[in-house]
Amino acid sequence: SQTIHQWPATLVQPVGSPLSLECTVEGTSNPNLYWYRQAAGRGLQLLFYSVGIGQISSEVPQNLSASRPQDRQFILSSKKLLLSDSGFYLCAWSVGGLGGYTFGSGTRLTVV
Amino acid sequence: AQSVTQPDIHITVSEGASLELRCNYSYGATPYLFWYVQSPGQGLQLLLKYFSGDTLVQGIKGFEAEFKRSQSSFNLRKPSVHWSDAAEYFCAVVVYGQNFVFGPGTRLSVLP
Repeated sequence: SQTIHQWPATLVQPVGSPLSLECTVEGTSNPNLYWYRQAAGRGLQLLFYSVGIGQISSEVPQNLSASRPQDRQFILSSKKLLLSDSGFYLCAWSVGGLGGYTFGSGTRLTVV
Repeated sequence: AQSVTQPDIHITVSEGASLELRCNYSYGATPYLFWYVQSPGQGLQLLLKYFSGDTLVQGIKGFEAEFKRSQSSFNLRKPSVHWSDAAEYFCAVVVYGQNFVFGPGTRLSVLP
């Protein structure tokens, strides 16, 4: 069966420090991968999506970047975190997209 | 522009009462429709989805939703709410070739 792993579950980082959040998918090949962010009291904001290795599309210009070094691995990064980067980050995958997304359990990032 | 609206930011119901969460969309093409639930600090879980056919779809946890093309709506219902249903609910829409668009979410509180 397909599963999605996302870590860490929580993270507290100082302003200006780097960030690396990792997401891996098991049990499927060539998935579409997504990074979403939920800020406090807000809905879901699509940050990046990828339809294949090395293919990254950015939805919102920001302090973050994403990479897909392997078919089932999706990494969210930042060189220098801002206070405004705090939020709940969710990774998701789909095959084709129309069948629905499967979400990871999320990472709570607090930038202090 | 394509959009998904959930008019109710927060709804409070008593345990055992019926529930209806509203979702409206604005799309040029016929969309695929989804409802997700998010418990506090967790990822999103798919409740149900509509692609075509019978406009009343059944989901997990006793939820159902009805697609009304004339009203561009896909409202979520449950005849008797349980305390464990307290969560945030997201309506989502996708059309072929595009990414999901999520509504802003409706937070459900359940009174004992």
